[in-house]
Amino acid sequence: EIVLTQSPATLSLSPGERATLSCRASQSVSSYLAWYQQKPGQAPRLLIYDASNRATGIPARFSGSGSGTDFTLTISSLEPEDFAVYYCQQRSNWPRMYTFGQGTKLEIK
Amino acid sequence: QVQLQESGPGLVKPSETLSLTCAVSGYSISSGYYWGWIRQPPGKGLEWIGSIYHSGSTYYNPSLKSRVTISVDTSKNQFSLKLSSVTAADTAVYYCARHLYSSGWYFIYWGQGTLVTVSS
Repeated sequence: EIVLTQSPATLSLSPGERATLSCRASQSVSSYLAWYQQKPGQAPRLLIYDASNRATGIPARFSGSGSGTDFTLTISSLEPEDFAVYYCQQRSNWPRMYTFGQGTKLEIK
Repeated sequence: QVQLQESGPGLVKPSETLSLTCAVSGYSISSGYYWGWIRQPPGKGLEWIGSIYHSGSTYYNPSLKSRVTISVDTSKNQFSLKLSSVTAADTAVYYCARHLYSSGWYFIYWGQGTLVTVSS
């Protein structure tokens, strides 16, 4: 089973700053990685898929990069509504299953 | 616009079976795509439970496989989750979702989630 490890666990930044979130896989997942944003009391929202493709309606300040085992979600200039928990997710082929990272909480400094 | 809505008992007794249904609107399940269940214990992260194709083909999280059954009812445009022999560790918000690709992979549309508490 592929394990995804996200860092840091908590990131404290101010609006307008740049946020860099990391997701590391225990073995290569090629570019098959997604990022989600979850706000309190809400379902997760798909932000990025296949490592670097923005989902429909996602602002351009969100970008994803990486391949293999190391991935990054970057928010270029934080807006107040961006403070939330972010999860990465991958699919493995054997066994066929999906796993999520433990999450990074992005909080207002 | 694809919309999903979970429904089912909010309280289940230990050792009993948790049963939830996900009603889909804005898209016909029989047209394709995989549909899945994900859960989130209070204050914790996300765990994929399993997914089903419109044809009924399923695959499950190995850690839950022995207790999980997911089924689809295309006539009612809904799919269901059954989790047997529940314990307090199964207390969670349960989400249903549709995969982004017809072959699976990521989750693009989500229900609002329903909290299921396991307690006597």
